[in-house]
Amino acid sequence: QLQLVQSGTEVKKPGASVKVSCKTSGFTFTSYYIHWVRQAPGQGLEWMGMINPGGGSPTFAQKFQGKVTMTRDTSTSTVYMELSSLTYEDTTVYYCVLGGIAPGGWFDPWGQGTLVTVSS
Amino acid sequence: QSALTQPASVSGSPGQSITISCTGTSSDVGGYNYVSWYQQHPGKAPKLMIYDVSNRPSGVSNRFSGSKSGYTASLTISGLQAEDEADYYCTSYTISTTLYVFGTGTKVTVL
Repeated sequence: QLQLVQSGTEVKKPGASVKVSCKTSGFTFTSYYIHWVRQAPGQGLEWMGMINPGGGSPTFAQKFQGKVTMTRDTSTSTVYMELSSLTYEDTTVYYCVLGGIAPGGWFDPWGQGTLVTVSS
Repeated sequence: QSALTQPASVSGSPGQSITISCTGTSSDVGGYNYVSWYQQHPGKAPKLMIYDVSNRPSGVSNRFSGSKSGYTASLTISGLQAEDEADYYCTSYTISTTLYVFGTGTKVTVL
């Protein structure tokens, strides 16, 4: 059974960083892209970037270049997404999602989501 | 990269069919057959309903179908049921450095 389980809710101050984890199971970790998608309260979905746990550099949406870091730990089949210099606009739910073996294609399944709240 | 354009809301009575459109450009919807559709109930993670324009994952009702013509993809829900009331998003692979773009989202209401 394919599964992505994310870390819990975070509350951070403006200017801080946050690191969200996404533990995967049920598939060969190094074979599939993991994507990150975010959704502001009451708003639509926004693709942030993707990482190939098998190697290579992550790919980011232009908006998030320089603000987001994505890493992986093959020993625990876990992917991490770190967001730096947080602003109030970063208060959203962050999802990790399983992609395909190559760019293109669909997102399935999704993690349960992690709410990050930026508050002073 | 601009979001794909969807109607803000679509409604229908139980048993009816509705269609949600998703309009892009030659750089995304028109250029690739990598259009997928997601259903999202309040407070829940999105769920894949259609992939690669018209393919239905295992476990998704055959009341859901997808198609594409030119720069516009469509999701049709036939035999509308109360449980179909949710937000729906399309997404497409794109030629830009931002590799994926989502639609603006459509709220489906079952009257």
